[in-house]
Amino acid sequence: NAGVIQTPRHKVTGKGQEATLWCEPISGHSAVFWYRQTIVQGLEFLTYFRNQAPIDDSGMPKERFSAQMPNQSHSTLKIQSTQPQDSAVYLCASSSSTGEDTQYFGPGTRLLVL
Amino acid sequence: QQKVQQSPESLIVPEGAMTSLNCTFSDSASQYFAWYRQHSGKAPKALMSIFSNGEKEEGRFTIHLNKASLHFSLHIRDSQPSDSALYLCAVSIGNSAGNKLTFGIGTRVLVRP
Repeated sequence: NAGVIQTPRHKVTGKGQEATLWCEPISGHSAVFWYRQTIVQGLEFLTYFRNQAPIDDSGMPKERFSAQMPNQSHSTLKIQSTQPQDSAVYLCASSSSTGEDTQYFGPGTRLLVL
Repeated sequence: QQKVQQSPESLIVPEGAMTSLNCTFSDSASQYFAWYRQHSGKAPKALMSIFSNGEKEEGRFTIHLNKASLHFSLHIRDSQPSDSALYLCAVSIGNSAGNKLTFGIGTRVLVRP
């Protein structure tokens, strides 16, 4: 079991550019979550999917952020027109549907917007 | 909207001592309560979770939950230098980790040899 895989591990973009972050959940896990972590705000929920369907995107900044889960083996988080305040570590997590009470986190993608 | 707060912000404890961390939440409908630990530069990793009032012990770790007080805590017995990390509490309205988690900002713990 390779755990949750996130790519790239580091990404540097210029202000106004687009950034796409990838997540591969643990095989067999039905729920996939995206969080963002900064020193000031801590670990904040963005959005999640269950069985590939979007369930809750209440944490997503409007307009520039979007997430998709085209198949059960990967999810993407896309940020359009990146801004310096988008700089953060973006974490993906997955959990199973069998009542296991843990979300397993990936190592994160550190995004720096210059 | 759920508010989750942790105290203290940081803590230094001598090796072998007890470490005690606190978490308060605002939504009385919350059903799932957990502690995660994050070593520097690493992913958060679940330590323990609890669903009902009371106490749960696993090895050196004990979690207490008091829903009426909107409070739960983590106690680490015989603290080790390897316990030095950021500790995050997490709460969910749902009844499992298969739902959105709201995290506190964390308590940074340093265990001195």
